Amino acid sequence: KNEVEQSPQNLTAQEGEFITINCSYSVGISALHWLQQHPGGGIVSLFMLSSGKKKHGRLIATINIQEKHSSLHITASHPRDSAVYICAVSSHTGNQFYFGTGTSLTVIP
Amino acid sequence: TAGITQAPTSQILAAGRSMTLRCTQDMRHNAMYWYRQDLGLGLRLIHYSNTAGTTGKGEVPDGYSVSRANTDDFPLTLASAVPSQTSVYFCASSAEADNEQFFGPGTRLTVL
Repeated sequence: KNEVEQSPQNLTAQEGEFITINCSYSVGISALHWLQQHPGGGIVSLFMLSSGKKKHGRLIATINIQEKHSSLHITASHPRDSAVYICAVSSHTGNQFYFGTGTSLTVIP
Repeated sequence: TAGITQAPTSQILAAGRSMTLRCTQDMRHNAMYWYRQDLGLGLRLIHYSNTAGTTGKGEVPDGYSVSRANTDDFPLTLASAVPSQTSVYFCASSAEADNEQFFGPGTRLTVL
């Protein structure tokens, strides 16, 4: 069973394009996390949200609790945005985390 | 500040041998986590600790044990490694349970 589903699995975009990655989940959550993993393997937390919308620079994350859906948007994409983006949710207890399998993004100059 | 470190970076281990993966953080975070990452499966939680002296089981705890003797260290032990434990292991920490997590660089383990 997959508690967290992401789409698309792979995405190729031209530099400058607006990008959307989607995440749907099936469990009750206390928070949703967006992570970024670069080819070297390191994982960085981008956002943690439980409602509404957050923005950091060119990145925007939204969540709709009723629909159990979140989106990660990248405006004016750049080759350095190429990475795997991972959606994760934490359960109501905060002790269990479920991860999507990631969206591999390649931005071409 | 080092943040969160893991050792070793990579290891090849014979099946049946024991191994301890080390994880240390200097951020005084209460919560720490161990994950494994496998192709096609994503990250899965092995064990967690919400505070020093306590631990809990995640989604895939079998074959692994942890301890949390102090705030900074959270070692993961494989008592008798099997090839299915070949994976990349990530340690993470957060100030409190269910806060933003900070990840270590990972340990690539191959069990032959």
